[in-house]
Amino acid sequence: DQQVKQNSPSLSVQEGRISILNCDYTNSMFDYFLWYKKYPAEGPTFLISISSIKDKNEDGRFTVFLNKSAKHLSLHIVPSQPGDSAVYFCAASGGNNDMRFGAGTRLTVKP
Amino acid sequence: EPEVTQTPSHQVTQMGQEVILRCVPISNHLYFYWYRQILGQKVEFLVSFYNNEISEKSEIFDDQFSVERPDGSNFTLKIRSTKLEDSAMYFCASSGWGSGRFYLRDTGELFFGEGSRLTVL
Repeated sequence: DQQVKQNSPSLSVQEGRISILNCDYTNSMFDYFLWYKKYPAEGPTFLISISSIKDKNEDGRFTVFLNKSAKHLSLHIVPSQPGDSAVYFCAASGGNNDMRFGAGTRLTVKP
Repeated sequence: EPEVTQTPSHQVTQMGQEVILRCVPISNHLYFYWYRQILGQKVEFLVSFYNNEISEKSEIFDDQFSVERPDGSNFTLKIRSTKLEDSAMYFCASSGWGSGRFYLRDTGELFFGEGSRLTVL
């Protein structure tokens, strides 16, 4: 079941530019959304989250935007750095303590 | 910083054999999870565990799979009779509440281990 979708499997940006990663969800019961970052041979690590009562959450270079009516969220990284190159997973949870992940988007930041 | 640890890091097994993957969650956490990632595919939820019982499981988590928390520290995933398609990276995660940043609904974050790679031949 594709409750969380990341339709872009990969994204390439130039260092210093903005990276925008997108995520769509179908389950209206989701009320908490997260982004995880994953390097090769490592487990995912938490990056940033947003509750459904907000539409924006910012943490340094990372900002997550939530559009509930469109069931869409995005992660903005600005400025992008080569060390940001990784796979980014969107995740959502609602009501219980389970979390559903998207397929991931591989971000490559070129120097 | 507390972390989730998983063993083994890599296991190779013959089809039909039983496999046990072990995880030591963060000590004050109460919710435990197994996820898997088949090479090149998305991270998939398998099962969540709370208060010594399964709270939710996915359609992937069939009768071949079981989880256990045998001694209050380890959290194990057993695959009774492995199939070729079970080859994947298996991630354990934990979350919980307590003070500060570990409260699930404050941060919502799961803490993942580094994964156990299972290769079924």
